[in-house]
Amino acid sequence: KQEVTQIPAALSVPEGENLVLNCSFTDSAIYNLQWFRQDPGKGLTSLLLIQSSQREQTSGRLNASLDKSSGRSTLYIAASQPGDSATYLCAVSGNTPLVFGKGTRLSVIA
Amino acid sequence: DTAVSQTPKYLVTQMGNDKSIKCEQNLGHDTMYWYKQDSKKFLKIMFSYNNKELIINETVPNRFSPKSPDKAHLNLHINSLELGDSAVYFCASSQTAQEQYFGPGTRLTVT
Repeated sequence: KQEVTQIPAALSVPEGENLVLNCSFTDSAIYNLQWFRQDPGKGLTSLLLIQSSQREQTSGRLNASLDKSSGRSTLYIAASQPGDSATYLCAVSGNTPLVFGKGTRLSVIA
Repeated sequence: DTAVSQTPKYLVTQMGNDKSIKCEQNLGHDTMYWYKQDSKKFLKIMFSYNNKELIINETVPNRFSPKSPDKAHLNLHINSLELGDSAVYFCASSQTAQEQYFGPGTRLTVT
């Protein structure tokens, strides 16, 4: 059974810092891994999708990497801004339906 | 243009009632999903439909019945609502095994 773990559960950083969010999964037989952002009381916004054959994806200040063999992904956020404050969720898709981690709650302090 | 829309956004009802939540996507996707986000914010899949056919049913009580009249719609009907059904329900869509797009959620409160 696929399990997804995200560390840390919460993170508070000053504005301008670069930061890394971690995601690990137990079953490496995945089709893809997706990073989402969720603002309080809102839906999920897809940030990046990495196919199982890919190693990383970039969008603006975000960079996500995937190491399928070790069951790990990282989301790198460069030059963080207060507007980046949200919960970041990692989810993997494979033989099991999309399985989510519990998220990392990020606060960027101005 | 809204990609995945859900109605209603908020739903407050009493135990024992029957209610429905509607979902529509205008992305031309072939797969639609229902997820439940509980009070601890943990998201878990409930159902998945591909081209109007049920492909995933994740140990959800049979009081929950999804209905897909066409590829663009996936509705969720809940019978005999219980306190534990209170949660936020999200609809999503994708092409098979591709990026999923989520709706804004429906916050269901059962009193």
